[in-house]
Amino acid sequence: GENVEQHPSTLSVQEGDSAVIKCTYSDSASNYFPWYKQELGKRPQLIIDIRSNVGEKKDQRIAVTLNKTAKHFSLHITETQPEDSAVYFCAASKGGSGNTGKLIFGQGTTLQVKP
Amino acid sequence: DAGITQSPRYKITETGRQVTLMCHQTWSHSYMFWYRQDLGHGLRLIYYSAAADITDKGEVPDGYVVSRSKTENFPLTLESATRSQTSVYFCASSFQGADSPLHFGNGTRLTVT
Repeated sequence: GENVEQHPSTLSVQEGDSAVIKCTYSDSASNYFPWYKQELGKRPQLIIDIRSNVGEKKDQRIAVTLNKTAKHFSLHITETQPEDSAVYFCAASKGGSGNTGKLIFGQGTTLQVKP
Repeated sequence: DAGITQSPRYKITETGRQVTLMCHQTWSHSYMFWYRQDLGHGLRLIYYSAAADITDKGEVPDGYVVSRSKTENFPLTLESATRSQTSVYFCASSFQGADSPLHFGNGTRLTVT
């Protein structure tokens, strides 16, 4: 079945440093890869996503890269700030008929940004 | 996102009891989802629905029942609650399935004693 592995499970960085979170997926038919941020006690919220026909996407301080051959994708946060502290989830979905409801999440990465 | 609401926010129930978690969205999104969140497991898909009267299993459907008689509502029922079902449950909706952004509700924290 589909599987998404996320690493590391915890990450601690100094304010201003960069943070990188990596995910691998098992299903070569996956075609949509979102990233969600969840602050303590709150709901997950989408921060960036990428589709399989794109290799990289950037939005201000965050970027996502996708390597379809290796079946992995990464989240990059530059110039980290204390408000970036949260749990980050990657996910992968399958398109096509019969699979349009299955978005599978990684286990999450707890990012701590130290002031 | 105020357009999707879950109730109750907190629920304590006993083993063996039936409990229903409610989810309501006002966007007329076709797709709705139920996830459970447990430490070390992230978010796991329980059931999803592509439209009214169309539901399908996710990764961990055992012990749960869903229905979708109206587009805006997607209740999740635990027919006979077990301690292993203690978790935080998130409902979500999307316009175009799992390959479009999911909008999550605030979650329901369920404790089974």
